[in-house]
Amino acid sequence: AQTVTQSQPEMSVQEAETVTLSCTYDTSESDYYLFWYKQPPSRQMILVIRQEAYKQQNATENRFSVNFQKAAKSFSLKISDSQLGDAAMYFCAYRSAWNTGNQFYFGTGTSLTVIP
Amino acid sequence: DTAVSQTPKYLVTQMGNDKSIKCEQNLGHDTMYWYKQDSKKFLKIMFSYNNKELIINETVPNRFSPKSPDKAHLNLHINSLELGDSAVYFCASSPRDRGNSGANVLTFGAGSRLTVL
Repeated sequence: AQTVTQSQPEMSVQEAETVTLSCTYDTSESDYYLFWYKQPPSRQMILVIRQEAYKQQNATENRFSVNFQKAAKSFSLKISDSQLGDAAMYFCAYRSAWNTGNQFYFGTGTSLTVIP
Repeated sequence: DTAVSQTPKYLVTQMGNDKSIKCEQNLGHDTMYWYKQDSKKFLKIMFSYNNKELIINETVPNRFSPKSPDKAHLNLHINSLELGDSAVYFCASSPRDRGNSGANVLTFGAGSRLTVL
């Protein structure tokens, strides 16, 4: 099974600053999707950003961008101009493009604190 | 309209009881899931159904039984509840399409917090 590793259990950032959350994954597949999900205290899981492995261009969504390094199997999330509402657990996830199980694999999460 | 709705949101019960959590999605997705999130926030897949057919059944005690009456519903029934079953249970759905539509996203319900006393 694929594994997703988030090596930073906790991170903190000053409001308006930039923070990068790390994620690495292990796979032998060439075609897959990667995601970052956010879970605020409300516990709702919200999709932040996604990346298709066949695309070389890094995905961006407003203040959120990724650094996708396919050869290194790395998929980090950069949050620019951090806001108090960004405080949450962030989960990195992997999904194969072709497996019949349609399964999503999640990392263990990074808890982000935003300091006013 | 809520895309993936699960009920109840909170459930407090005694050990040994049987309880159910219901889930419905109105997104037209083919695949539905149950995830368990423990107190350390780890998300663990429990079951996955595709068009009412069980396709993923991780190592979960037999006391947990999913039921999918149709592809828009996936309910979770738990027998003989134990203290260790206390967790947040998430229902989710995704399309089966593997094309480049960008629709290969997992959509979650709001979660059901189960507390076993």
